[in-house]
Amino acid sequence: DAGVIQSPRHEVTEMGQEVTLRCKPISGHDYLFWYRQTMMRGLELLIYFNNNVPIDDSGMPEDRFSAKMPNASFSTLKIQPSEPRDSAVYFCASSTYPPEGAQGYTFGSGTRLTVV
Amino acid sequence: AQSVTQPDIHITVSEGASLELRCNYSYGATPYLFWYVQSPGQGLQLLLKYFSGDTLVQGIKGFEAEFKRSQSSFNLRKPSVHWSDAAEYFCAVGIVQGAQKLVFGQGTRLTINP
Repeated sequence: DAGVIQSPRHEVTEMGQEVTLRCKPISGHDYLFWYRQTMMRGLELLIYFNNNVPIDDSGMPEDRFSAKMPNASFSTLKIQPSEPRDSAVYFCASSTYPPEGAQGYTFGSGTRLTVV
Repeated sequence: AQSVTQPDIHITVSEGASLELRCNYSYGATPYLFWYVQSPGQGLQLLLKYFSGDTLVQGIKGFEAEFKRSQSSFNLRKPSVHWSDAAEYFCAVGIVQGAQKLVFGQGTRLTINP
């Protein structure tokens, strides 16, 4: 398997624009997670899905953030409108439950978002 | 709620020296425990994980970690570091049942002196 695939790797956008981050989980993994990494707050869980259903979105910072998982092989994280404080690295991860296999809880390479 | 503490924000060791990175967790039961490594500008790579059984876990790149329930610790060790080990290291704890999410420590940045 190619691992968790995220796109784009880098995104630079102007404040107020809509940003969409994409993730393809590892085939067969039934959990998908979105994390955000900043210097100030470290790694924060934003939302996670189980079998395409959002389970816990308590980490989503505000209504400008939304996430969807229309099928088992694709998820998006959307920010609309974007603000400079959204600048961060956004990671997607996928896992089985329990995550005991060799690829249990695997992270993608991340999307570095810069909002100017 | 579970939490993870990595007491050392930055550690510097000489190449060839031994390494121990500390991790303490707070959780009411036996958790899943992970160590990840992140090189600059890269994603998180899993070094090793503990779920149950043998408390000494072997990982990739010559790393190992020991789960000590009495100390709520999961310290990462390597007998002899290489310059390529310079990176940020994250300890994480996951809940065994129910919501399956990881909580990360703040990370320890490792610098290697030649």
